[in-house]
Amino acid sequence: GENVEQHPSTLSVQEGDSAVIKCTYSDSASNYFPWYKQELGKRPQLIIDIRSNVGEKKDQRIAVTLNKTAKHFSLHITETQPEDSAVYFCAASKRSGNTPLVFGKGTRLSVIA
Amino acid sequence: GAGVSQSPSNKVTEKGKDVELRCDPISGHTALYWYRQSLGQGLEFLIYFQGNSAPDKSGLPSDRFSAERTGGSVSTLTIQRTQQEDSAVYLCASSLLGVDSPLHFGNGTRLTVT
Repeated sequence: GENVEQHPSTLSVQEGDSAVIKCTYSDSASNYFPWYKQELGKRPQLIIDIRSNVGEKKDQRIAVTLNKTAKHFSLHITETQPEDSAVYFCAASKRSGNTPLVFGKGTRLSVIA
Repeated sequence: GAGVSQSPSNKVTEKGKDVELRCDPISGHTALYWYRQSLGQGLEFLIYFQGNSAPDKSGLPSDRFSAERTGGSVSTLTIQRTQQEDSAVYLCASSLLGVDSPLHFGNGTRLTVT
């Protein structure tokens, strides 16, 4: 089955710097790659997603890139702010075989003011 | 509109007792998922319901765990003979379509087995 690896497990950046979180997946048939943000004590919430037919997607300070050949995708947050501090999860799923989302183990991002 | 609703929000039970956790998905969402999140850990898939299809139970950790979804809406996750290692936050999520559409999570049920 699908396996999603996420790095790093923790990340500290200065306010205003960029943060990059990387994930790899094992199943080349996976076609949907969302990212979720979970603030302390809250539910995970979708922040951005990408499908296998595109290589990059941006939404304001957040961008996701996908390299299907290498089977990895990354989250980029620019101009980080203290409110970006949270745990971020990547995930992968595939429509064929109706395989539910498999999540990475998460990255705890701390933005230091 | 209303989001995914889970109850109870907290449950403390004694080892060996059975518990039922409830999830009310967003109206119209065809897919419903249960995940488990242990303290400081990731999201572990448990079970997935899609429409009238047979559920994907491949993530259930033992036969003490079961779930049902009645009328294509409300779901109940049942844990029999609870063990201390079952202590975790149980998250329910629903999505409008299938596995490649965004998940909307509930606030979870924090289960503590003493």
